[in-house]
Amino acid sequence: ELKVEQNPLFLSMQEGKNYTIYCNYSTTSDRLYWYRQDPGKSLESLFVLLSNGAVKQEGRLMASLDTKARLSTLHITAAVHDLSATYFCAVDMTGSGGGADGLTFGKGTHLIIQP
Amino acid sequence: GAVVSQHPSRVICKSGTSVKIECRSLDFQATTMFWYRQFPKQSLMLMATSNEGSKATYEQGVEKDKFLINHASLTLSTLTVTSAHPEDSSFYICSARQVIEETQYFGPGTRLLVL
Repeated sequence: ELKVEQNPLFLSMQEGKNYTIYCNYSTTSDRLYWYRQDPGKSLESLFVLLSNGAVKQEGRLMASLDTKARLSTLHITAAVHDLSATYFCAVDMTGSGGGADGLTFGKGTHLIIQP
Repeated sequence: GAVVSQHPSRVICKSGTSVKIECRSLDFQATTMFWYRQFPKQSLMLMATSNEGSKATYEQGVEKDKFLINHASLTLSTLTVTSAHPEDSSFYICSARQVIEETQYFGPGTRLLVL
């Protein structure tokens, strides 16, 4: 059974600071996703990481994937209040031959950025 | 980007009634759609995978006779919660995968409250 673990689950930080959210997963997969969810809303796609060593950046967010370590990171640079949200990583098992499908999500990281 | 819609966005029903939720891919064809459920303050849990023209694949612990899924076309999947009970109250989110892309696009979600 695929397990996806995120840490921290809760993070309060000040504007201007840097921080990293970690996502570990338990079985082989080379597709990992990061999503943002605002309260009461659905998911907004942030990054799709499709291969080992993949690194993607959008604004103050940067995501990377190490498939050998089964680890992805979401790095926040010089945080601003607008980035306050819950961030989920998810792993896709489709096509892996394991019989599973869809995405398996981590528990999410609730991020609060204080002015 | 690709757009996925859901209808209704919010529904309140009495215990014992059935509720149908529609998920549509508006500007692309989706051979596969997924249904997730999210309880308050929790992560998303995959309920089932819906493939156009075939029976849905349900995750372990999800009752297929209670959560009826129909994927009649490449742009529409429906989830019917039959004989709803208060414990079925949740946020139901669908997603759709484009044929040529790896990512899943999520609908805005349907908030179900069963009284």
